[in-house]
Amino acid sequence: QQQVKQSPQSLIVQKGGISIINCAYENTAFDYFPWYQQFPGKGPALLIAIRPDVSEKKEGRFTISFNKSAKQFSLHIMDSQPGDSATYFCAASKVGYAGGTSYGKLTFGQGTILTVHP
Amino acid sequence: KAGVTQTPRYLIKTRGQQVTLSCSPISGHRSVSWYQQTPGQGLQFLFEYFSETQRNKGNFPGRFSGRQFSNSRSEMNVSTLELGDSALYLCASSLAGAGDGQPQHFGDGTRLSIL
Repeated sequence: QQQVKQSPQSLIVQKGGISIINCAYENTAFDYFPWYQQFPGKGPALLIAIRPDVSEKKEGRFTISFNKSAKQFSLHIMDSQPGDSATYFCAASKVGYAGGTSYGKLTFGQGTILTVHP
Repeated sequence: KAGVTQTPRYLIKTRGQQVTLSCSPISGHRSVSWYQQTPGQGLQFLFEYFSETQRNKGNFPGRFSGRQFSNSRSEMNVSTLELGDSALYLCASSLAGAGDGQPQHFGDGTRLSIL
């Protein structure tokens, strides 16, 4: 059972435009929502993450919007650049605590291939 | 600071064989997680080790196993390989785990091909 659904599968935007990727989750126990960026031949790299107690988080050109009641969250990339062309994954986890440390297993969306044309 | 190192980068095996993949986490990181990435299933969590103990496990058969050493390095083993095990295997390390404010740093993976 897929617990995190991501859309669209692919996205083409022009340089300077806004890229928007959406994710929906089913498990209401999830309480940590990161976004990862992956370039070909490389592992995913953390872009930005959010906890459900805030509705929006912005870091540079990247913004996460979070809607707890709708169980949805999205990534907005402002002023998209050709260098942003990559695959983007949303993820979710339920944070656990043990021995003074936190832990959780990430459940990933299927990914969105973003292409930014110059 | 060196990143997460996975070896080997590429591996070709035949059905029925077994394979061991290695992961060296970022210095100071005690949590190591393993993920399988395929075009069809995407990124799926295999297991997580912290201080040499498996702390979390995904929904994979018992053919997939792992361990962590006292220096936090981790190995993953797959026995009786099947064609469907062809995938990119990713290792991620973090200070404590994939939770609140603890970003996971991924290696570039081991590409396993089963013939």
